[in-house]
Amino acid sequence: DTGVSQDPRHKITKRGQNVTFRCDPISEHNRLYWYRQTLGQGPEFLTYFQNEAQLEKSRLLSDRFSAERPKGSFSTLEIQRTEQGDSAMYLCASSLGSGGGNEQFFGPGTRLTVL
Amino acid sequence: AQSVTQPDIHITVSEGASLELRCNYSYGATPYLFWYVQSPGQGLQLLLKYFSGDTLVQGIKGFEAEFKRSQSSFNLRKPSVHWSDAAEYFCAVGAWTGTASKLTFGTGTRLQVTL
Repeated sequence: DTGVSQDPRHKITKRGQNVTFRCDPISEHNRLYWYRQTLGQGPEFLTYFQNEAQLEKSRLLSDRFSAERPKGSFSTLEIQRTEQGDSAMYLCASSLGSGGGNEQFFGPGTRLTVL
Repeated sequence: AQSVTQPDIHITVSEGASLELRCNYSYGATPYLFWYVQSPGQGLQLLLKYFSGDTLVQGIKGFEAEFKRSQSSFNLRKPSVHWSDAAEYFCAVGAWTGTASKLTFGTGTRLQVTL
């Protein structure tokens, strides 16, 4: 069990540029989540995949954000035309099974800084 | 919608002293409750969880938490704190929306341990 991995760990970009983050969940986990954490706050839910289907998106996920999980394994989160307000830690989590009580395993996160 | 309140932003305790971190939740149904710990540069690690049954739950690293429905609380405790426990602690409530299992986090409590 190698855990959830995320790449890159840090990303610095200029405003207006596009960025893409990758998440590799625990191999047998069918559910994958993206969260965003800003300084001094807890993580906030962004979106959720069951296998390759994106089943829910938060209002926090503007049109500039897109997420994919093409083969039900790894996932990517792309932010187009980045803004300074996008600076945050982007966390990925995965779980097995359904229901509100299933444990989500978190990756180390990708810290985005938009200059 | 569910919500979590962690009233203490920052707590300092001496090594060896007891610890209690407060968490209050708001949720319309029986909640799934979690405590996560986050060390600098690290992802979130699950300490313990409550789904049903015994209201006193044991977790890793010597932590425990007690679910009190009448007070809508899920406070985290440890009888004797170690310097390595210094970190940020997040309480979360899990909810099944019918399509997604979402975690709603509190704003966190930063624990400082003095030697």
